[in-house]
Amino acid sequence: EAGVTQFPSHSVIEKGQTVTLRCDPISGHDNLYWYRRVMGKEIKFLLHFVKESKQDESGMPNNRFLAERTGGTYSTLKVQPAELEDSGVYFCASSPDRGVGHEQYFGPGTRLTVT
Amino acid sequence: SQKIEQNSEALNIQEGKTATLTCNYTNYSPAYLQWYRQDPGRGPVFLLLIRENEKEKRKERLKVTFDTTLKQSLFHITASQPADSATYLCALGIYNQGGKLIFGQGTELSVKP
Repeated sequence: EAGVTQFPSHSVIEKGQTVTLRCDPISGHDNLYWYRRVMGKEIKFLLHFVKESKQDESGMPNNRFLAERTGGTYSTLKVQPAELEDSGVYFCASSPDRGVGHEQYFGPGTRLTVT
Repeated sequence: SQKIEQNSEALNIQEGKTATLTCNYTNYSPAYLQWYRQDPGRGPVFLLLIRENEKEKRKERLKVTFDTTLKQSLFHITASQPADSATYLCALGIYNQGGKLIFGQGTELSVKP
């Protein structure tokens, strides 16, 4: 089975521009998570979808970040306008709907560099 | 504040020895704890999960312990191999907070032949 895929693998944009990251979870996984790792820090939770609904978006830094999961399949994370502190690696993860506490399958990440 | 601490320094061991990695947490009552492996340029890969009512879990050469009194988990790799060299992350899951994981910074393990 195909794993979690993310696109692009790397994005370099200027401050003030807009970037959209995409995540395709494993087929059939209802749970989709976004995480971010900024340089030198731990991986931090951003938000959690169950199918197309936002279950928890407590980790979203501010309203410049917008996540969607139309139809409960792939998800996008848009940053508009990007700031320097948004640089980091954005990971997407998915897990099947078997309740909480199960392993999450991570994608390779998108490295975002804001200059 | 809520905090998870892993061995901050890299761990260097000789092939064949047992590697022991530590994960300490404060101000949490985790429902479960997971360990992941991360290689450079890749996403974390799940290794083991242990729940709050479990003391120990094993999988092949891997063993995890969970001591809720000490607020600590230990992760052991026995008969370590150079291929085990990677960063190892511990992550906590909290009841009533969905499936979100709270990660430690990770410990870099290097196994020398």
